[in-house]
Amino acid sequence: EPEVTQTPSHQVTQMGQEVILRCVPISNHLYFYWYRQILGQKVEFLVSFYNNEISEKSEIFDDQFSVERPDGSNFTLKIRSTKLEDSAMYFCASKVDRGINQPQHFGDGTRLSIL
Amino acid sequence: DQQVKQNSPSLSVQEGRISILNCDYTNSMFDYFLWYKKYPAEGPTFLISISSIKDKNEDGRFTVFLNKSAKHLSLHIVPSQPGDSAVYFCAASALYKLIFGTGTRLQVFP
Repeated sequence: EPEVTQTPSHQVTQMGQEVILRCVPISNHLYFYWYRQILGQKVEFLVSFYNNEISEKSEIFDDQFSVERPDGSNFTLKIRSTKLEDSAMYFCASKVDRGINQPQHFGDGTRLSIL
Repeated sequence: DQQVKQNSPSLSVQEGRISILNCDYTNSMFDYFLWYKKYPAEGPTFLISISSIKDKNEDGRFTVFLNKSAKHLSLHIVPSQPGDSAVYFCAASALYKLIFGTGTRLQVFP
């Protein structure tokens, strides 16, 4: 069964450094998402992306965050200058089409630890 | 922001019995709901969903019930198996995003 893959599984970075989290969505999917889960808290939406544009972003997704689909397969989340509070699990998800009654499929996440 | 709530942080059920996980929402505009299962160190795995035009959807051992007037949905697992032990998240679809509840940890014991 096709799946969303994320790399790396764990990223340790010094505060203030840039980090790029990578995702390969399911190949025929058109909608892409990033979510995060801070330890002990709920999964929170960050951003949705379609047709090389951001469809919606949350208030968490400030100017330090950006997303990109640099080629036909990868979808990346960049944090420009990391803060301690960016430490979380980051999940990438994809969905096949615009139909609202379609599930999003998630990768296994990247654990980001900011020191 | 408590648009989707799961008021029971944990549930313990004996193998073979029914597990019932509950979820409440506040926004009557939500029209598609999903349940995800999550094991440690893995991402959420889609389990089952329901559209607001239905009040029940069944898939094998899993059934989701939706009560729109009460803004409540529930997931029934029958019979429960030890492999069902995981954290279960309820989510509501809001156009471009999912809004998750805080999760219920289900433990199925022999």
